[in-house]
This record gives sequence, C-alpha cells and structure tokens, in this order.
Amino acid sequence: AQTVTQSQPEMSVQEAETVTLSCTYDTSESDYYLFWYKQPPSRQMILVIRQEAYKQQNATENRFSVNFQKAAKSFSLKISDSQLGDAAMYFCAYRSRWGGSEKLVFGKGTKLTVNP
Amino acid sequence: NAGVTQTPKFQVLKTGQSMTLQCAQDMNHEYMSWYRQDPGMGLRLIHYSVGAGITDQGEVPNGYNVSRSTTEDFPLRLLSAAPSQTSVYFCASSGTGAHTYEQYFGPGTRLTVT
Repeated sequence: AQTVTQSQPEMSVQEAETVTLSCTYDTSESDYYLFWYKQPPSRQMILVIRQEAYKQQNATENRFSVNFQKAAKSFSLKISDSQLGDAAMYFCAYRSRWGGSEKLVFGKGTKLTVNP
Repeated sequence: NAGVTQTPKFQVLKTGQSMTLQCAQDMNHEYMSWYRQDPGMGLRLIHYSVGAGITDQGEVPNGYNVSRSTTEDFPLRLLSAAPSQTSVYFCASSGTGAHTYEQYFGPGTRLTVT
C-alpha cells in the first residue's frame, strides 16, 4: 500500500518570503500522480498543483512550484512571494495513474502560517 | 454547475442514532468517494464507487454503508453512530477524460456524536 508522509506539522513564513513544504511517499508503482491540496479555514479542499510521475519537468502554477525527485520519492512544494491568503493546511496526496482517480492517499498535512 | 454538494453542513447525533450524509454531483462523474478528516490524520478513504451499482471499501470502512443507485448521488450511511465517528466528512468525485487525475471535493459535513 502507498503511504504519504509530511514531516512538518507546522510551518511559518513572512509575507513576501519563500517557503518550502516537504512530502515523501512510498510506492512500488512507476506511474502515478502527486498533488498538493490547500485547505483554508473555510474547509474547502482546493487543488494547488499536480505532477505526473512520468514527466521529468517540475510542475509550476504561478507562485507555486514543486521539486519532484522520483528516485528519492520526494515531492516538495515551494510557495514564492507568500501572501496572507496562503495561510492554510496543505496536504500532499498520491494516486495511481491507472484506475485510481477515485482513491487518493493523503499525508497528515502541514499548517502554514503567514506572518505580516 | 454546482459541482459537488453535501448536506447537511453540520450535524449532532447521539450515540446509537442513525443518519445519512448526502452527496450529489452534477458533472456526470463516474467516480465518487467518501473521506473522513480527523485532527492530525489527514483525509482517509471510507468507501468509493467507480460507477452506478459498484462500490468498494477504502481504508476505514467500518461503521459505514454506501450505495450508488445513480451516477449523481452517493449517500453515506451511519447505522449506529459512535463517538469515534465524530469527524469532518468529505465527498469527492472525478471523471474520465482529459482531467481524470483531479478529484473535486464537496464543502464537507462536520459531524459530532455525543
């Protein structure tokens, strides 16, 4: 079974600075997807960014980018120019590429605080 | 599109009571899932469905039942609520096609069992 580990229960960053959230995972599969979800106090789960394991290029979405190290099974999220609205819980998640879109495996989350 | 809707948003039950959490999606998605979120535990899969009439267990299925009679609806039933089922419940859906990788989540239901 796949597992996802987020080793930082809490992180903080100054507004406009850069912060990196860590995620490692364990799988025997070679083809899969990885995601970062944001959960603000409203509780809504919002997809931030995704990475396909078969792509070597790291995904980017505006101020959000990932560092995907497949051999090391590492998938970190970098938030640049942090904003107050980035404060939230962030969850790393894994799903198999084939027949697995109904099943996500989540890490326990990292609470990000953004200080003005 | 309303996306994924869940009702109710909040619910308080007494131990032993039963109830159904409703979930509906209007995106014609084949796949639907139920997760629970507990403090410090992330989201864990309870049950999922790959289409009408087809359901299967996830990581934490005990105490919950599901059925999928239509593509749109995927209710979660608690037959005899227990305090251990106090949690936030999320329904999610995903489809086939260009965006099969993404699950769309409902707003969640906060359930308290006393």
